[in-house]
Amino acid sequence: NAGVTQTPKFRILKIGQSMTLQCTQDMNHNYMYWYRQDPGMGLKLIYYSVGAGITDKGEVPNGYNVSRSTTEDFPLRLELAAPSQTSVYFCASRQPHGRGSYEQYFGPGTRLTVT
Amino acid sequence: AQTVTQSQPEMSVQEAETVTLSCTYDTSESNYYLFWYKQPPSRQMILVIRQEAYKQQNATENRFSVNFQKAAKSFSLKISDSQLGDTAMYFCAFMKQGGSEKLVFGKGTKLTVNP
Repeated sequence: NAGVTQTPKFRILKIGQSMTLQCTQDMNHNYMYWYRQDPGMGLKLIYYSVGAGITDKGEVPNGYNVSRSTTEDFPLRLELAAPSQTSVYFCASRQPHGRGSYEQYFGPGTRLTVT
Repeated sequence: AQTVTQSQPEMSVQEAETVTLSCTYDTSESNYYLFWYKQPPSRQMILVIRQEAYKQQNATENRFSVNFQKAAKSFSLKISDSQLGDTAMYFCAFMKQGGSEKLVFGKGTKLTVNP
């Protein structure tokens, strides 16, 4: 089991550029999440998905889009990158409550800088 | 909305000693879970310990234990026999049962274990 994998590990974007952060899990988890972590802060939820084809906004969705075409993959799209999106991005997954552990498993994170 | 507060931005402890990290939360929910996550310099989010709100018994995991005071909405983490490898950011997190089951994080406490 590779768990939750994220690519790339680091990226520098210019203002106005776009990119997709990739997230894949091999644990057959239904729930997947994208969080961002700003310096000196805890993680905040951007988007989440409870299964293929179903996504919903979290606390800080502006400037981002997601899709969930398969159980395994949950990419995060940044359109028109802005300096405020400089952050570390974490993808996580878990099974829904009542189906095994309720632990969220995190990927290693992507450090994104927008200049 | 739920909030999680960690009032100690930084703490330090001598190797082999005991340290307690504080966490308080605010919620009107009845069914929820509380977690402590460790984030070492590698950035990886690692689950340390979890507590189900319906359980009165405090959770323990080897050198890690919690003091869960439900009425006071307090959830502190005690680390016994501190080791150099315990140096990390520690995040307290809340999860409401049902719905997105997202994690709501505190801002974290930076713990340094000194030799």
